[in-house]
Amino acid sequence: SYVLTQPPSVSVAPGQTARITCGGNNIGSKSVHWYQQKPGQAPVLVVYDDSDRPSGIPERFSGSNSGNTATLTISRVEAGDEADYYCQVWDSSSDPHVVFGGGTKLTVL
Amino acid sequence: EVQLVQSGAEVKKPGESLKISCKGSGYSFTSYWIGWVRQMPGKGLEWMGIIYPGDSDTRYSPSFQGQVTISADKSISTAYLQWSSLKASDTAMYYCARHHTVTTGRFDPWGQGTLVTVSS
Repeated sequence: SYVLTQPPSVSVAPGQTARITCGGNNIGSKSVHWYQQKPGQAPVLVVYDDSDRPSGIPERFSGSNSGNTATLTISRVEAGDEADYYCQVWDSSSDPHVVFGGGTKLTVL
Repeated sequence: EVQLVQSGAEVKKPGESLKISCKGSGYSFTSYWIGWVRQMPGKGLEWMGIIYPGDSDTRYSPSFQGQVTISADKSISTAYLQWSSLKASDTAMYYCARHHTVTTGRFDPWGQGTLVTVSS
């Protein structure tokens, strides 16, 4: 089955840029979605289809996807960005299934 | 506003049955799949399955096939997740979310979650 690999943690100082990766075999051929989950809250979609942002999500959040790695980039990181981030893909083949990455804890120093 | 509202927290004993719900509003409930996602304490997100309320077509993750039942009542715009015999290992937060199946499969929006605690 398809596996998505994320680093368990990423740390960044306020104002700097955070990059969270999501690795998968030829992930560049799939559409990748990213979710932010703050403690005690439900996940929220922050980037979909590799690089699109839902309404209400700041432009500081962006995404890219190529080869075997998708990346969520958060520019000008703020304390409020501290959260868990998950990548996800949808395989709509004859055996459709959803795959989530293991999640990355973003710590703002 | 598109919204999914889930039923409240549950505390059950091992062996008991349970059915939790997810009510959609603000959109055509029969036009989108609904997915269920488990999050065990301190762990990541796990996909359980999806259902199309229009005709109740259901797909399960192999990890959850036979362990739970997903259903829907389109007349009241509500999807369900049920267990016939709970185990302590079913203790988790359960989320429903609208699944954009016909496009690229994102989940948006999500319900607020239902905490299920199974303890003797």
